[in-house]
Amino acid sequence: DTEVTQTPKHLVMGMTNKKSLKCEQHMGHRAMYWYKQKAKKPPELMFVYSYEKLSINESVPSRFSPECPNSSLLNLHLHALQPEDSALYLCASSQPHRELRNSPLHFGNGTRLTVT
Amino acid sequence: QKEVEQDPGPLSVPEGAIVSLNCTYSNSAFQYFMWYRQYSRKGPELLMYTYSSGNKEDGRFTAQVDKSSKYISLFIRDSQPSDSATYLCAMDRGSTLGRLYFGRGTQLTVWP
Repeated sequence: DTEVTQTPKHLVMGMTNKKSLKCEQHMGHRAMYWYKQKAKKPPELMFVYSYEKLSINESVPSRFSPECPNSSLLNLHLHALQPEDSALYLCASSQPHRELRNSPLHFGNGTRLTVT
Repeated sequence: QKEVEQDPGPLSVPEGAIVSLNCTYSNSAFQYFMWYRQYSRKGPELLMYTYSSGNKEDGRFTAQVDKSSKYISLFIRDSQPSDSATYLCAMDRGSTLGRLYFGRGTQLTVWP
């Protein structure tokens, strides 16, 4: 079992709905990430939080709103999504400093989102 | 040219075969190299993590990094049907923000 837990596993939402994806890690990591993965494609970075502060926003549309309430939790708030936003949304965590040299990203199993 | 190139396959081998998966890259700033295994409808699972050039072995898996050729490999010995998955190579430049650059992934099937 992965140490990065994502809920829900599946989500179907209409274009006018508001929903949230949740991620929790118990690895003591201080960096957390949201990635988006379309079928048969590699994951694409969306957001990076380091020490609970947003460090990177990869020009993601504002209908995706991340939140990091504390060092072990990461949320992704969704509003007014489009059908093309349907994808697997992956959360990951790591230590933020590469001086450790042994802190790769650990991924959760994702939330499979379908926008109708 | 993409920064990380990986043959998407598909690759199909019999059980017990040695599997070789490869990636090439163009950015000489990459320092950390990873292989992830992704089963259908699951998240990527970290298999191997190496820093700079050299070999690393873990059970049936061996990762090789050749920075002079900008080439990394993953070898799977005595492959099993349970190894059937998509294998993603990934690398980063060692910044504090952990941005990963992925290959396209190679789909592997090991048949009994």
